[in-house]
Amino acid sequence: AQSVTQLGSHVSVSEGALVLLRCNYSSSVPPYLFWYVQYPNQGLQLLLKYTSAATLVKGINGFEAEFKKSETSFHLTKPSAHMSDAAEYFCAVSDSGGGADGLTFGKGTHLIIQP
Amino acid sequence: DSGVTQTPKHLITATGQRVTLRCSPRSGDLSVYWYQQSLDQGLQFLIQYYNGEERAKGNILERFSAQQFPDLHSELNLSSLELGDSALYFCASSSSGRASTGELFFGEGSRLTVL
Repeated sequence: AQSVTQLGSHVSVSEGALVLLRCNYSSSVPPYLFWYVQYPNQGLQLLLKYTSAATLVKGINGFEAEFKKSETSFHLTKPSAHMSDAAEYFCAVSDSGGGADGLTFGKGTHLIIQP
Repeated sequence: DSGVTQTPKHLITATGQRVTLRCSPRSGDLSVYWYQQSLDQGLQFLIQYYNGEERAKGNILERFSAQQFPDLHSELNLSSLELGDSALYFCASSSSGRASTGELFFGEGSRLTVL
């Protein structure tokens, strides 16, 4: 079965500092990997996705993530945090094979931006 | 605005009761996914419909059922409600039949409170 683990339920960074949100996956087949963001009182919105075309994936709002097969990781980064980045971030995996096809989400990481 | 509409936004009911949550997908999207979000379980995939047919099933309880109608809107029926069913229920839609190849667009959710 596929799964993702997000390290750190809460991450706090200063405005302008590097954002690093960690995600490790487990999958028996080549995975599709996603990062979604959830702002307060809203639904989830896709930030970026990895589908094996390129290991470094650029998303919206200046975020990017790098797929590292050797480390089974898909960490999300942003060079300079902005106050508007404060939100809940979810890593998710989907089976690229023929299995059940709902996205499997991690527990989420709450990103706090300090002024 | 994702284009996905969920009603009601809030619902308070008692144990043992039955409720129906409704979802209207984005115009043209054939897939509808249902997710449950709770503090202890995180985001759990419940079920997917594609063009009126059940496509994939996740951690959906037998007390829960769903359907997708010819106009593509979907309903999630929750019966014999228990306190533990209190959660935020999200609907997401996609133009693709597979979550791995398409972007999921989430509604703002229906918050169910069971007293």
